[in-house]
Amino acid sequence: DAGVIQSPRHEVTEMGQEVTLRCKPISGHDYLFWYRQTMMRGLELLIYFNNNVPIDDSGMPEDRFSAKMPNASFSTLKIQPSEPRDSAVYFCASSFSLRTQDSYEQYFGPGTRLTVT
Amino acid sequence: KNQVEQSPQSLIILEGKNCTLQCNYTVSPFSNLRWYKQDTGRGPVSLTIMTFSENTKSNGRYTATLDADTKQSSLHITASQLSDSASYICVVAITTDSWGKLQFGAGTQVVVTP
Repeated sequence: DAGVIQSPRHEVTEMGQEVTLRCKPISGHDYLFWYRQTMMRGLELLIYFNNNVPIDDSGMPEDRFSAKMPNASFSTLKIQPSEPRDSAVYFCASSFSLRTQDSYEQYFGPGTRLTVT
Repeated sequence: KNQVEQSPQSLIILEGKNCTLQCNYTVSPFSNLRWYKQDTGRGPVSLTIMTFSENTKSNGRYTATLDADTKQSSLHITASQLSDSASYICVVAITTDSWGKLQFGAGTQVVVTP
């Protein structure tokens, strides 16, 4: 398997522009997570889906952020309008909910480095 | 206040030496504790996952310990290699039924020098 795929790997945009980050989870995984990582705050969970349904979006910073998962193999995280404080690395991760002792192992993608100027 | 505290913030060790990273947490109720390794410019990779009933788990040269009574965990790296240079993140899960209840430590930056 190719692992979790994210695109683009780098994104530079101007303040006020719309940004769309994309993620393809590992085939067969039924959980998908979006994280944000900054030097100041570390890793933060933004939202997660189970079987394409958003379960908890309490980590989404504000209404400018939205996430969708139209099918089991694709998800987007959109920021509109973008602001300089949104600059961070955004990770997508996926997991399979097999209830074993090592259940809930998460597999992270390579991340998208977003810079908003 | 962060419910997962890691120490030290960073450390430098010589290749071949051992080191131990600490993680103290106040999260309750506790479900499981994970250690992740994150190389520069890459996503975190899981090293170990321990439930409250486990007190040690190994993954090659990495050994994690857990004391659920004192709410402390450690990650021991044996015979360090240059490839061990990375950030190590401690993550505590509150419940097994809610994925969103993950508390992340700030990480320990490890640099292994020749």
